[in-house]
Amino acid sequence: DIQMTQSPSSLPASLGERVTISCRASQGISNNLNWYQQKPDGTIKPLIYYTSNLQSGVPSRFSGSGSGTDYSLTISSLEPEDFAMYYCQQDASFPPTFGSGTKLEIK
Amino acid sequence: QVKLQQSGAELVKPGASVKLSCKTSGYTFSTSYMSWFKQIPGQSIEWIGMIYAGDGGTGYNQKFKGKATLTVDTSSSTAYMDLSSLTTEDSAVYFCSPTTEGISLFAYWGQGTLVTVSS
Repeated sequence: DIQMTQSPSSLPASLGERVTISCRASQGISNNLNWYQQKPDGTIKPLIYYTSNLQSGVPSRFSGSGSGTDYSLTISSLEPEDFAMYYCQQDASFPPTFGSGTKLEIK
Repeated sequence: QVKLQQSGAELVKPGASVKLSCKTSGYTFSTSYMSWFKQIPGQSIEWIGMIYAGDGGTGYNQKFKGKATLTVDTSSSTAYMDLSSLTTEDSAVYFCSPTTEGISLFAYWGQGTLVTVSS
């Protein structure tokens, strides 16, 4: 199975700040990397697919980049609703696997 | 729009089985896949497996073979997951998510079903 390593596990930040979350795969995944947001009530929302494509309805302050084994999610200017858990997920091969998560917290 | 309604929370005893449901609407169920996931509170998300509603064909994460059994009822556009021989390690929230292309982006998620295994 492909292991996904996310960092940091916790990210304190302030409103309006620019933040970046990293995700590293244990082997190359050819940009088959997606990002999700999970709110405290458990609701899961897709944000980015295939490394850098914004899912419909997701604000443009979210962006993704990367290649090979290293990927990142950037939020350009934090809004109150952005404080949540974030997970990366690869769908390059079975089984699809998720990163360990990053908790974006209010500083 | 796509709607997924999962069954309610379950409290089950060790050794028992439980059947979770995911009732769908808003898309063509019979030509889609349904994946299931496990999330222990405070931990990450694990993919359990998927089923193609068209023919009932399944694929499982090796870790969950023998633990989970996926089925569908196309007449009611509902997917099911049976979890057997439950232990406390099976206590988790379980989610369903449909796709049209196997393991592509999981764009829609159910609200989750909390399963608590306790004597």
